[in-house]
Amino acid sequence: EAGVAQSPRYKIIEKRQSVAFWCNPISGHATLYWYQQILGQGPKLLIQFQNNGVVDDSQLPKDRFSAERLKGVDSTLKIQPAKLEDSAVYLCASSLVPQPPMETQYFGPGTRLLVL
Amino acid sequence: AQKITQTQPGMFVQEKEAVTLDCTYDTSDPSYGLFWYKQPSSGEMIFLIYQGSYDQQNATEGRYSLNFQKARKSANLVISASQLGDSAMYFCAMRDLSSGNTGKLIFGQGTTLQVKP
Repeated sequence: EAGVAQSPRYKIIEKRQSVAFWCNPISGHATLYWYQQILGQGPKLLIQFQNNGVVDDSQLPKDRFSAERLKGVDSTLKIQPAKLEDSAVYLCASSLVPQPPMETQYFGPGTRLLVL
Repeated sequence: AQKITQTQPGMFVQEKEAVTLDCTYDTSDPSYGLFWYKQPSSGEMIFLIYQGSYDQQNATEGRYSLNFQKARKSANLVISASQLGDSAMYFCAMRDLSSGNTGKLIFGQGTTLQVKP
């Protein structure tokens, strides 16, 4: 079974530029998560989708970040315009169905973003 | 608010020995889940083990076991017979149920483990 796919793996941009990340979850996984992991810290949830609907985006900086999952499968996360503090690894995760507390999330390799 | 604390920024262990990585948590919910993930230098978060708050027995998965002490709110990861490939960052995480069934994971700061040959 293929894992969570993410692209690009690395991205370097200048501040105020725009950038987009793509994620394809494990086949059949209804729930998709985007996390931000700043160097030296644990991941922090940005947004959670259940199929193509947003379940939680309370920690998404909506003035510059946006995300969509139009057909309930793959998803894109966009930053416009980027700031220096957006330099981080952006991790996508998916799970079969949300069955807290035991549902396991499976993560992709992440996209490392450097904003200069 | 729910919180995960990992107090060991870095740990060393000799190959083939066992090592314990500490994790304490804080929650007022009676129902919660605790997870451990491994993050090698490649960046991917690899699921290791899960412990539910109502589970009577400590979880085990191969060389990984979870020392769950509910009264002390601790969920330490024990890795037996360490291997060089175990060198990585390890994160303890808890399922946040305070805002409904959103599934959000709260992560600790992580512990870097280095296995010495």
